[in-house]
Amino acid sequence: AAGVIQSPRHLIKEKRETATLKCYPIPRHDTVYWYQQGPGQDPQFLISFYEKMQSDKGSIPDRFSAQQFSDYHSELNMSSLELGDSALYFCASSLGGGLGYTFGSGTRLTVV
Amino acid sequence: DAKTTQPPSMDCAEGRAANLPCNHSTISGNEYVYWYRQIHSQGPQYIIHGLKNNETNEMASLIITEDRKSSTLILPHATLRDTAVYYCIVRPLNAGNMLTFGGGTRLMVKP
Repeated sequence: AAGVIQSPRHLIKEKRETATLKCYPIPRHDTVYWYQQGPGQDPQFLISFYEKMQSDKGSIPDRFSAQQFSDYHSELNMSSLELGDSALYFCASSLGGGLGYTFGSGTRLTVV
Repeated sequence: DAKTTQPPSMDCAEGRAANLPCNHSTISGNEYVYWYRQIHSQGPQYIIHGLKNNETNEMASLIITEDRKSSTLILPHATLRDTAVYYCIVRPLNAGNMLTFGGGTRLMVKP
């Protein structure tokens, strides 16, 4: 079965640079979620979109923005990167905003 | 959301049943119990959810006490690949779609 696809798998950026993470949900899923997981921490909710509109917002820094496109894929844009942004970033998708998400394998961002 | 309490860690012998408890004594009537797990550095994986009846799927069984103040996730025949952090999350069905991960149980399945 098709899963949630995230790209890239790994990303290394320098401080103050920008990064864009991409997420392709399971076909026909209309809701996308983004989570951040720092080293040794639990996943933290950042933001979600339902039918291309922002639906929930968590602890997402103002330096980050995200959107969901007409084909339902989503991008997380991160600017003015800081060392503390180094983390695993997970995208998940579901149908109709249900809580039985399917998560992707994540993007590991390292800021140096 | 209701607060949940889980033991920080548990061991289980391979092939035996793993019973993971979760206390949610302040759960309200419209809140569901969800279980997720995260195998090291992989994306969290949805396991099962329930409201008040016991539930079973191909991965696990969920037993919810009659007063709904606690539940147990049962992996009937644990394998080494079930070694993971297991999260019990209580959430209303229609109160937004944010999951709060925290305080899970690190299950170690040993040969």
